[in-house]
Amino acid sequence: EVNLVESGGGLVQPGRYLTLSCAASGFNINNFAMHWVRQVPGKGLEWVSGMDWTSYNMAYADSVKGRFTISRDNAKNSLFLHMNDLRPEDTALYYCTKDGSASRQFFQYWGQGTQVTVSS
Amino acid sequence: SYELTQPPSVSVSPGQTARITCSGDALPKQYSFWYQQKAGQAPTLLIYKDNERPSGISRRFSASRSGTTVTLTITGVQAEDEADYFCQSSDAIGAYQVFGGGTTLTVL
Repeated sequence: EVNLVESGGGLVQPGRYLTLSCAASGFNINNFAMHWVRQVPGKGLEWVSGMDWTSYNMAYADSVKGRFTISRDNAKNSLFLHMNDLRPEDTALYYCTKDGSASRQFFQYWGQGTQVTVSS
Repeated sequence: SYELTQPPSVSVSPGQTARITCSGDALPKQYSFWYQQKAGQAPTLLIYKDNERPSGISRRFSASRSGTTVTLTITGVQAEDEADYFCQSSDAIGAYQVFGGGTTLTVL
């Protein structure tokens, strides 16, 4: 059974940094593309970042490009999102998602999310 | 940046058919996907690669495409179908993924 568990969210001041983690089980993350998707409560979904199975093809939404970095540790079967220079508009529930393919296409499985709040 | 456009809301009576549209210029070139999100829950995959259903998804859910518009169709709508529905695809060259703004389905 596929399971994705996010952690690392919390309250952080503007301009500071935070790293989100996603522990995956039930599959090997090195065989699939992986993504982060965020959602402001009551609002829509926003794709944040994704990487294909090779870890060389990474992409970011314009809203986070240059500030966020996606990475993974295949040995730990975990995905990460390193977030720098956080802004109030980054406040959202962040979901870790498993793609249904090796290249970046869609979001087959979702975690339950970890809340990030950026506020002074 | 690339956008997918959905109606904010759709309302139907139980037993009727609901249709939710999603428009985007690159939809003829890229697969489309649909997700269902019930209140307080994470989204779940409903339709993948234009019209495929994951195992466990009811046959009442189907999707189709006509030009730059894709449509999610829910037949025999039930109270349990009340949720937010999001379409998703990629830009024309597959560089990034994008969601539609979401449609709230209300079962009257």
